[in-house]
Amino acid sequence: AQTVTQSQPEMSVQEAETVTLSCTYDTSESDYYLFWYKQPPSRQMILVIRQEAYKQQNATENRFSVNFQKAAKSFSLKISDSQLGDAAMYFCAYFDSSYKLIFGSGTRLLVRP
Amino acid sequence: NAGVTQTPKFQVLKTGQSMTLQCAQDMNHEYMSWYRQDPGMGLRLIHYSVGAGITDQGEVPNGYNVSRSTTEDFPLRLLSAAPSQTSVYFCASSYSRTYSLEKLFFGSGTQLSVL
Repeated sequence: AQTVTQSQPEMSVQEAETVTLSCTYDTSESDYYLFWYKQPPSRQMILVIRQEAYKQQNATENRFSVNFQKAAKSFSLKISDSQLGDAAMYFCAYFDSSYKLIFGSGTRLLVRP
Repeated sequence: NAGVTQTPKFQVLKTGQSMTLQCAQDMNHEYMSWYRQDPGMGLRLIHYSVGAGITDQGEVPNGYNVSRSTTEDFPLRLLSAAPSQTSVYFCASSYSRTYSLEKLFFGSGTQLSVL
């Protein structure tokens, strides 16, 4: 079964600095999708970024970018110019032809003013 | 366009009671799914559906039933509630082509406590 691992339970970053959240996954599939979701204290789930495995180019969305290393099965999220509003839980997720979206355990991001 | 509507927002049950969590979407999404989120953990997939009349089990299906009689609705039934089912439950839907998944739209969640 596919698994998603987020090895950093909590990360801290100074406002305006850059932080990278790690995610690794295990799969034997070649075609799949990877996601980062943000969950603020409101409990709402917000899509941050989506990556298609067949695309070699790393996805970017404004201050958010990923480093997708397919061979290493690694999918890290970089947040540039961190803002207080970025403080939240961040979840990495994996989806493939099984139609199951599997989430990691999450990383809590703290932003220091 | 209401998105994903999930009811109720809060529910307290006694052990052994049954109940249904409702989920409805008005975006004509094929893919719908239910997750539970326990403290300090990520979301775990309970059941999912890729279209009306089609459902399948996720990571933690025991104790839960689902049905998908229409594209819009995907109710989750707790057959005999147990304290281990105390959790926050999320319903989510997405437009999905074959073997692909676009952005998931989430409901606001249901806080369920089983005493």
